[in-house]
Amino acid sequence: AQTVTQSQPEMSVQEAETVTLSCTYDTSESDYYLFWYKQPPSRQMILVIRQEAYKQQNATENRFSVNFQKAAKSFSLKISDSQLGDAAMYFCAYSGGNNNDMRFGAGTRLTVKP
Amino acid sequence: NAGVTQTPKFQVLKTGQSMTLQCAQDMNHEYMSWYRQDPGMGLRLIHYSVGAGITDQGEVPNGYNVSRSTTEDFPLRLLSAAPSQTSVYFCASSLEGSGANVLTFGAGSRLTVL
Repeated sequence: AQTVTQSQPEMSVQEAETVTLSCTYDTSESDYYLFWYKQPPSRQMILVIRQEAYKQQNATENRFSVNFQKAAKSFSLKISDSQLGDAAMYFCAYSGGNNNDMRFGAGTRLTVKP
Repeated sequence: NAGVTQTPKFQVLKTGQSMTLQCAQDMNHEYMSWYRQDPGMGLRLIHYSVGAGITDQGEVPNGYNVSRSTTEDFPLRLLSAAPSQTSVYFCASSLEGSGANVLTFGAGSRLTVL
């Protein structure tokens, strides 16, 4: 089964600075999708960004971007110009192209210091 | 407001009691799923459904039952609650079951089994 590993249980960043959250995954599939979800204290899961494995170009959404290294099976999230509202748990997730089982990492808790 | 609605938000049960977590979506999504979230383990898939009348097991199905009689509703039943089922439960849906579709999550239900 596919596994997703987030090796940083906690990270902190100064407001306005940049932080990178790490994620690695294990799969034998060639067609798959990767996601980063944010979970603020409200508990609501919110999609941050999505990457299709067949696209070489790294996905970007405003201040959020990914570094997708397919050969290394790495999918890190970079948050630029960090804001207090970015403080949350961040989950990396993997989904195969034709299955219905999305796998999540254990999460990274991000603290933003004013 | 369109989205995924979960009830109740909080519940305390005694060991051996039964209960049903309700999940409803009004987006005409075919795919619906239940996850549990435990500290240090991310989200794990319990059961999912790709349409009315069709359900299947996820990663951690033991102790839980589901049914899908309508497109809108996907209840999760605990027949005999155990302390190991203390967790936060999330219902999520998407247009179709493939990994290409982004999940929309409910707000979560915190269950405590004494």
